[in-house]
Amino acid sequence: KAGVTQTPRYLIKTRGQQVTLSCSPISGHRSVSWYQQTPGQGLQFLFEYFSETQRNKGNFPGRFSGRQFSNSRSEMNVSTLELGDSALYLCASSLDRDGGQYFGPGTRLTVT
Amino acid sequence: QKEVEQNSGPLSVPEGAIASLNCTYSDRGSQSFFWYRQYSGKSPELIMSIYSNGDKEDGRFTAQLNKASQYVSLLIRDSQPSDSATYLCAVRAGNNRKLIWGLGTSLAVNP
Repeated sequence: KAGVTQTPRYLIKTRGQQVTLSCSPISGHRSVSWYQQTPGQGLQFLFEYFSETQRNKGNFPGRFSGRQFSNSRSEMNVSTLELGDSALYLCASSLDRDGGQYFGPGTRLTVT
Repeated sequence: QKEVEQNSGPLSVPEGAIASLNCTYSDRGSQSFFWYRQYSGKSPELIMSIYSNGDKEDGRFTAQLNKASQYVSLLIRDSQPSDSATYLCAVRAGNNRKLIWGLGTSLAVNP
């Protein structure tokens, strides 16, 4: 079974621009979560989607948004990029909302 | 505030020894517990899931859960240099089943 895939893998953007990241979960998984990870920081939870509905949200500003489609694929969007948004963005999927999450390889975003 | 706490380490063990990693959590109603391994520059990898009190073994890994004392531990037997990584504990808690993460313990296995 194919794992979680994320596109693009690397991205360089300029401050003030917006960006959309994509995640395809493992086949059959209905829950998708997004995380931000920076050097020296733990995993910072962004949001969790299940059956196209946002179930949990982390403490990030409204510039960060996401959505989930009927096929469980998910996108996250960051508007008005700031230098501090440079990070590894990880997507993780799980079969349901009780099981463990399986991570994709991440998208490394650099904001200049 | 629901929390998951781990010693940051680094925990250093010689090759072939048992590495013991511990995690405590604050929400007594927590339902499911996970251990992840993360190599530098890579994404976390799920290595153990445990849902009920007691021990669960998978190869060289054993997860131990004690809900009364609110801790979960991971034992790695016959530690290898390739086990050197950061180990993250995660706990699902609350009615919204949010996954709460510890900050991780860095493990170094010395040849």
